[in-house]
Amino acid sequence: KAGVTQTPRYLIKTRGQQVTLSCSPISGHRSVSWYQQTPGQGLQFLFEYFSETQRNKGNFPGRFSGRQFSNSRSEMNVSTLELGDSALYLCASSTQGIVPYEQYFGPGTRLTVT
Amino acid sequence: DAKTTQPPSMDCAEGRAANLPCNHSTISGNEYVYWYRQIHSQGPQYIIHGLKNNETNEMASLIITEDRKSSTLILPHATLRDTAVYYCIVRTGGSQGNLIFGKGTKLSVKP
Repeated sequence: KAGVTQTPRYLIKTRGQQVTLSCSPISGHRSVSWYQQTPGQGLQFLFEYFSETQRNKGNFPGRFSGRQFSNSRSEMNVSTLELGDSALYLCASSTQGIVPYEQYFGPGTRLTVT
Repeated sequence: DAKTTQPPSMDCAEGRAANLPCNHSTISGNEYVYWYRQIHSQGPQYIIHGLKNNETNEMASLIITEDRKSSTLILPHATLRDTAVYYCIVRTGGSQGNLIFGKGTKLSVKP
């Protein structure tokens, strides 16, 4: 099976701009989660989507948003970029279910805001 | 906040077993222990998880104490490619819920 893919892998934006990142989960996985990783704050949860619905959200401002499509692919959007948004953005997919399940991470998108 | 405590760093000789400890003294009865690792600048990689019993897979073994307040991840024969940050995470097994990452343990495998 192909793994989680994220595009683009690297991105440079200017303060005030907006950006959209894309994530394609592993085939058959219906849950997609997004994380932000910075040297100062480490790995932090942004939000999770399942069957096109956001079902869990971390403590991030409303400038961070996401969506999921019917094929489980997901996008996240950051509007009005700030320097502090420079980070590695990671997407993870997992299967549905109440039993414990593991999340599989993509390689990430490295966003630099100048 | 993360519910786990891990040493910030550890060294291990190549070919030897690496034993990474994790304290989770406030773990609830329905919470699982997960281990992930992150090799520099890559996405975290799932290693193993467990509830009460010890678990083993092709990558590692997980030993959970009887009171479930601590656990140890064992890499039986560490290689240089096992150099990474290892995260111990406690979470429920339910379908909702995110992974709360702490600072992890930076494992350095040395030749």
